[in-house]
Amino acid sequence: QVHLVESGGGVVQPGRSLRLSCAASAFSFTSYAMHWVRQAPGKGLEWVAVISNDGNKKYYADSVKGRFTISRDNSKNTLYLQMNSLRAEDTAVYYCAKDLVISVSGTSLESYWGQGTLVIVSA
Amino acid sequence: DIQMTQSPSSLSASIGDRVTITCQASQDISNYLNWYQQKPGKAPKLLIFDASNLETGVPSRFSGSGSGTDFTFTISSLQPEDIATYYCQQYDNLWTFGQGTKVEIK
Repeated sequence: QVHLVESGGGVVQPGRSLRLSCAASAFSFTSYAMHWVRQAPGKGLEWVAVISNDGNKKYYADSVKGRFTISRDNSKNTLYLQMNSLRAEDTAVYYCAKDLVISVSGTSLESYWGQGTLVIVSA
Repeated sequence: DIQMTQSPSSLSASIGDRVTITCQASQDISNYLNWYQQKPGKAPKLLIFDASNLETGVPSRFSGSGSGTDFTFTISSLQPEDIATYYCQQYDNLWTFGQGTKVEIK
């Protein structure tokens, strides 16, 4: 069973940095793009960033472009999100998610998410 | 960027009622539209993929339709365990989520 476990969240002051990790297991990590999605308290889902399976292509939401960097270490089956110049509005639960790929049977889009890690940006 | 407009933002219905949520994309996304259910403190769960396909293991009271820019999600007979927030998601170009619809019991 696919397993994604985020870590690295916590309380951080505005302007500081934090790095999130997402440990992946039970699937071929090197074959899939990976995403970060966040959810501010009481708010909806916001896509943050995606990285290709080989790490060569990266795309970001406008709200984090230039401040956040997505990366991966395929030798460790781990996804990262480096968050710099943090703002109060970055406070959210951050989820990592496996890219959506149709199953061989065609009956599933194989959507997998971690349990999330909470980031609080506050003085 | 593709924008997703979901409505209503919340609704209240009785057990057994038919519930409908709509989602409109800012441009043609073909059928690259999914519907998720999220309960408090949990990650989203995929219910419908590619606009109208029921994800494995999801009850048949959930359904979806549409293509292009206009999509509909339906719960044919609302059950107590369906109380949650529902989101549409496009994945034609990166990912974008709708604003969410909170479903409550009347």
